[in-house]
Amino acid sequence: QQQVKQSPQSLIVQKGGISIINCAYENTAFDYFPWYQQFPGKGPALLIAIRPDVSEKKEGRFTISFNKSAKQFSLHIMDSQPGDSATYFCAARSYNTDKLIFGTGTRLQVFP
Amino acid sequence: EAGVAQSPRYKIIEKRQSVAFWCNPISGHATLYWYQQILGQGPKLLIQFQNNGVVDDSQLPKDRFSAERLKGVDSTLKIQPAKLEDSAVYLCASSSRGNYGYTFGSGTRLTVV
Repeated sequence: QQQVKQSPQSLIVQKGGISIINCAYENTAFDYFPWYQQFPGKGPALLIAIRPDVSEKKEGRFTISFNKSAKQFSLHIMDSQPGDSATYFCAARSYNTDKLIFGTGTRLQVFP
Repeated sequence: EAGVAQSPRYKIIEKRQSVAFWCNPISGHATLYWYQQILGQGPKLLIQFQNNGVVDDSQLPKDRFSAERLKGVDSTLKIQPAKLEDSAVYLCASSSRGNYGYTFGSGTRLTVV
């Protein structure tokens, strides 16, 4: 019940295309859903996050879509750029434990 | 603000040896986390501190791993003795009270041979 399932494991997108990464969860105590971006040799960096009281959040080219009834959320990267090539992790925080549970990661490669 | 500092960046040891990692969180951040990230996987929480007290260490292999946070600031994670399967990146993160966002350090890459 503490798991966050993420797919796909890897994604190849052409420059200018849309990258979509999906996550699903079971624990209804999760109340915060961030996405992290990780470049090789670096720690994960917070990219964008959403609370379950909204269905969508957009920051620049990055959008989170949240479906509370389906317990699913996704990251959309519009106009994908080679600089977006990184590993992306979804995560979920439980309000009663204050700890983040991470998905397994998606390695995104954007080709020119 | 300065980020989360970790050292060393890399460490190679033989199995059964001991190793220690150091973390200095962002100033004022009360909560500190140690995560283990095995290659190709997501980070897995090992231990969570609130100030200098342990909140959650349920995933810490206590027969070989130990951690402490002195005076509610810096933290040290130790492995003794190391096993081959401990090869991973050890990430430290911190957060302030009421702030859901974690800030991660760059991690320490441990290779056990």
